[in-house]
Amino acid sequence: QQPVQSPQAVILREGEDAVINCSSSKALYSVHWYRQKHGEAPVFLMILLKGGEQKGHEKISASFNEKKQQSSLYLTASQLSYSGTYFCGTGSNSGYALNFGKGTSLLVTP
Amino acid sequence: NAGVTQTPKFRVLKTGQSMTLLCAQDMNHEYMYWYRQDPGMGLRLIHYSVGEGTTAKGEVPDGYNVSRLKKQNFLLGLESAAPSQTSVYFCASSELSRFYEQYFGPGTRLTVT
Repeated sequence: QQPVQSPQAVILREGEDAVINCSSSKALYSVHWYRQKHGEAPVFLMILLKGGEQKGHEKISASFNEKKQQSSLYLTASQLSYSGTYFCGTGSNSGYALNFGKGTSLLVTP
Repeated sequence: NAGVTQTPKFRVLKTGQSMTLLCAQDMNHEYMYWYRQDPGMGLRLIHYSVGEGTTAKGEVPDGYNVSRLKKQNFLLGLESAAPSQTSVYFCASSELSRFYEQYFGPGTRLTVT
């Protein structure tokens, strides 16, 4: 039930782009992205609903392909503040709770 | 607005001891959750509550109990702590119509020796 994220870790230089993928073996109705900075609590970034709509937050955007049962998070012109661990979450059987992936660690260097 | 607060921030227990972690939220949220976070494992749901007086099991409920006697509080209990329960515990809450937008507390780092 836990979605699978790839890659596990990414190291970027400031200004470079990155893509983080999230896939599920089950049909997806929504995908949720969170970011956790080191030593802090996770923070909600965005939700993507069935329909393939692309959403954005700062220079971070995401897409959702329900046929492929996957979502991708795009970080454009990365900034030092983007460093952290990114988690995708998918709906669980309960309808209220989320199943989170293991996370992708992103490090942006000067 | 304090948001979601957790007590205590750190705790060291010996195997077999018991303790209760307290989570409080002042946003009048209906839903509350307890997660544990271990290196390389992501966030795993322990228990959750969809309202005062109701609780349900998550992905990894064994060894934990919860109670939600008041809407603003969600307690996580460990009756007999084991080293495998060494982890960082996060509480979260969300409102009825936007359950997916969860607000997390700062976490409790628990070590069981």
